[in-house]
Amino acid sequence: DAKTTQPPSMDCAEGRAANLPCNHSTISGNEYVYWYRQIHSQGPQYIIHGLKNNETNEMASLIITEDRKSSTLILPHATLRDTAVYYCIVRVESSYDKVIFGPGTSLSVIP
Amino acid sequence: DVKVTQSSRYLVKRTGEKVFLECVQDMDHENMFWYRQDPGLGLRLIYFSYDVKMKEKGDIPEGYSVSREKKERFSLILESASTNQTSMYLCASRGADRGRETQYFGPGTRLLVL
Repeated sequence: DAKTTQPPSMDCAEGRAANLPCNHSTISGNEYVYWYRQIHSQGPQYIIHGLKNNETNEMASLIITEDRKSSTLILPHATLRDTAVYYCIVRVESSYDKVIFGPGTSLSVIP
Repeated sequence: DVKVTQSSRYLVKRTGEKVFLECVQDMDHENMFWYRQDPGLGLRLIYFSYDVKMKEKGDIPEGYSVSREKKERFSLILESASTNQTSMYLCASRGADRGRETQYFGPGTRLLVL
């Protein structure tokens, strides 16, 4: 799996959009960009994933650059419950290999 | 929505006890995983299973065993618990939800071995 780099921490005001960046310059053509988050003392929660087109679901939007070397996860209206560590990983969609998380970005949503 | 449930959120056991951690998924997924998560070490794969009665060792299987008698249930067994097995244990299930395939995690079991 290709490596990713994320800022270690970010703050966001409640109600504002949270934009979390991720760099994955060595991504392969068949690797997807996945985002998970982990709220303190809970299991990781799947958020969204995509290959090259932008994706949106009820939780978030994923914007992938045209060269696929970076992406941004957008939480459109952050709430206090969005405070968590956010992990960006790249992997082949059909892989049943283990999931490997990096350090992630610790997002703090501030009232 | 995919649901992965784990039998306990918190457990306290004594050294030498046999410990059972149960995981159930309700999406008919074939692949299931057991990880442990420790500060500074991230997620480490203990065992996984790609079908009923099938199991494969992950990166750190020592001191653990697993059982997959039914498709929806994957159990992790600590034969004789030790203090270095104090950890957060995470079960995951792999499959497709609304056409997208990924691993879905349970809420975790925080185990303390005294």
